[in-house]
Amino acid sequence: QQPVQSPQAVILREGEDAVINCSSSKALYSVHWYRQKHGEAPVFLMILLKGGEQKGHDKISASFNEKKQQSSLYLTASQLSYSGTYFCGTTRGSARQLTFGSGTQLTVLP
Amino acid sequence: GAVVSQHPSWVICKSGTSVKIECRSLDFQATTMFWYRQFPKQSLMLMATSNEGSKATYEQGVEKDKFLINHASLTLSTLTVTSAHPEDSSFYICSAPPGGEETQYFGPGTRLLVL
Repeated sequence: QQPVQSPQAVILREGEDAVINCSSSKALYSVHWYRQKHGEAPVFLMILLKGGEQKGHDKISASFNEKKQQSSLYLTASQLSYSGTYFCGTTRGSARQLTFGSGTQLTVLP
Repeated sequence: GAVVSQHPSWVICKSGTSVKIECRSLDFQATTMFWYRQFPKQSLMLMATSNEGSKATYEQGVEKDKFLINHASLTLSTLTVTSAHPEDSSFYICSAPPGGEETQYFGPGTRLLVL
């Protein structure tokens, strides 16, 4: 079952913050976050494993609440290069197949 | 991160012909690779799991006789779209997790246009 992402789209000014949410009705093993620019393949951002962890690098971080089956991606002080469509991908159990959310289109304006 | 390549990057073919797409892991071995399809403005949909040395596992609704998958070595999986039709036009992307890792790295994708 496809995870639900929100919001569907967000427009920011450079330097503003954004939060993208990903939730599932099923128990999750891991959550993967990717960014895809138009006409290109998705680029891996980070992975969060079962255990309620939080990760981050530079100004992008994420959290995974295993009990709530939710993950959030935090983008702080957004840059123009952050524009793109963000997808969360989830796995269940030991299976590695990713089920992707519908995506969140992020546009950062100067 | 690990590098995955795909060839060709784009292909245009006539309806009824077959098209082969290659997915290679360049700096790691992958016993498992995944094939996705993405239509414009939509999410990525898993088509099949490619397993080295054994049969691929197809997702519900994906015709195994139409989308032939071969994973003959630890670094190469191929997807052949047989008797392609215009509705098969899409962006095909493969991914592979390096051994022992959960992270999946995506290839650059192959854009298929069937006329």
